[in-house]
Amino acid sequence: GAVVSQHPSWVICKSGTSVKIECRSLDFQATTMFWYRQFPKKSLMLMATSNEGSKATYEQGVEKDKFLINHASLTLSTLTVTSAHPEDSSFYICSATYRGGRADTQYFGPGTRLTVL
Amino acid sequence: GENVEQHPSTLSVQEGDSAVIKCTYSDSASNYFPWYKQELGKGPQLIIDIRSNVGEKKDQRIAVTLNKTAKHFSLHITETQPEDSAVYFCAQEGGGNKLTFGTGTQLKVEL
Repeated sequence: GAVVSQHPSWVICKSGTSVKIECRSLDFQATTMFWYRQFPKKSLMLMATSNEGSKATYEQGVEKDKFLINHASLTLSTLTVTSAHPEDSSFYICSATYRGGRADTQYFGPGTRLTVL
Repeated sequence: GENVEQHPSTLSVQEGDSAVIKCTYSDSASNYFPWYKQELGKGPQLIIDIRSNVGEKKDQRIAVTLNKTAKHFSLHITETQPEDSAVYFCAQEGGGNKLTFGTGTQLKVEL
C-alpha cells in the first residue's frame, strides 16, 4: 500500500518550453502532496505544499509563476515548469501523506528527471 | 530556521558489519523523525521512523534511537549486505508536516 507514481520518469525539452509532471497516489487518498527538487549528490529541497482544492504554498525563493502546481483531486497533483531553462534541469520528486493515516508520514514517488537543453 | 546535520557524508563498511549514521536537529518542537533510503535515480523510500514518545525503535536489521534532550537521532543497520548500499537521509518534521532533510550519507557495503 501507499504507492505514489510520477509521470514521466524522465523528460528532455528545449529551453523556453513548458513541462508538466504528474504525481498520483495509486492506492490511497492523499491529504497533502509535496514537491521537491534534488540536484546531483545533494539533499531534497522542498519547493511547495499542495492541498486538494486550494492554492499551493511555496517555499521562500521558489517562483510560483514558474512552477505552477495544480491539485485537482485527492489522488493527483501536477507540477508545470513554465518557460524552462537549463538551470531548471533537476530531479523532481513528489510525496504524499496518507489520508486516514498519520499526517506526518510521507510516501515518495520515483522522481522525474528533467533535462532542459 | 530548522536545520538537520547528518554525519558521516560517506561510510564504507565490510559486509556483515554494522553501520551507524547520526543526525542532529535544531527544532525542539519536532516530534517525528523518519529515515529514507534512496537508490541511484529513484525516489526516497521510507525505511523506519520514530516519534518522540519513544527512545528506540527496531525493525529487523534496522533500528533508530532518539535523544530528545540532546536533539539527536541515529540509524543503526546491523549485518549489512551489499543491497544496503545507497544514500540515506534523515529528516525532521516541522510545521505543516513539512520535512527538513539531512545532507545524506552515501553508504557502501563492500564484499
